[in-house]
Amino acid sequence: TQLLEQSPQFLSIQEGENLTVYCNSSSVFSSLQWYRQEPGEGPVLLVTVVTGGEVKKLKRLTFQFGDARKDSSLHITAAQPGDTGLYLCAGRPNAGGTSYGKLTFGQGTILTVHP
Amino acid sequence: GAVVSQHPSRVICKSGTSVKIECRSLDFQATTMFWYRQFPKQSLMLMATSNEGSKATYEQGVEKDKFLINHASLTLSTLTVTSAHPEDSSFYICSARRAGTRHFDEQFFGPGTRLTVL
Repeated sequence: TQLLEQSPQFLSIQEGENLTVYCNSSSVFSSLQWYRQEPGEGPVLLVTVVTGGEVKKLKRLTFQFGDARKDSSLHITAAQPGDTGLYLCAGRPNAGGTSYGKLTFGQGTILTVHP
Repeated sequence: GAVVSQHPSRVICKSGTSVKIECRSLDFQATTMFWYRQFPKQSLMLMATSNEGSKATYEQGVEKDKFLINHASLTLSTLTVTSAHPEDSSFYICSARRAGTRHFDEQFFGPGTRLTVL
């Protein structure tokens, strides 16, 4: 079983601060996705990273996939109250085996940005 | 594109009754759909993988006779919670896998169904 350790579990910051969320594993993933979920709604896909070392930017959000494709980070610059939510990383195991197609989820990070 | 709907969004039922939840991919075909359960402020727990035209694959510890899954078409999967009990109360979320090299097998999630069993 490929596990994803996501940290921190909780993050409470003031508007304007920067933050980073980490996802780490001892296993290699073919791709890794980041989702944001608001209470009572389903997760919304933010980005998919595929190539080792890849960096993608989405406005104030920067996503990075580790060179070895075992870890990833999400960095938010100048956080705003609208960024509040549950952030989930999810990795797709390498092709083959019984886990093909499934996503392995991190434990999630609950981010609260105070005005 | 890549919109997934779920119906109903909320359901309240009496203990012992069965509840059916539908998951539809609206603008793409999904040969594989997944059903998750989520507890408050926690991550998603995969319950089963639903493949069109074949039996679902259940995760360890998930009772297949209690959580019946049917994937009748490329755009519809249903989850039926049979003889529901209060401990089945939870947030159930489906996702649909959009296959193809360009899409890197991304999963798109429905808005979830809040089940409350009285």
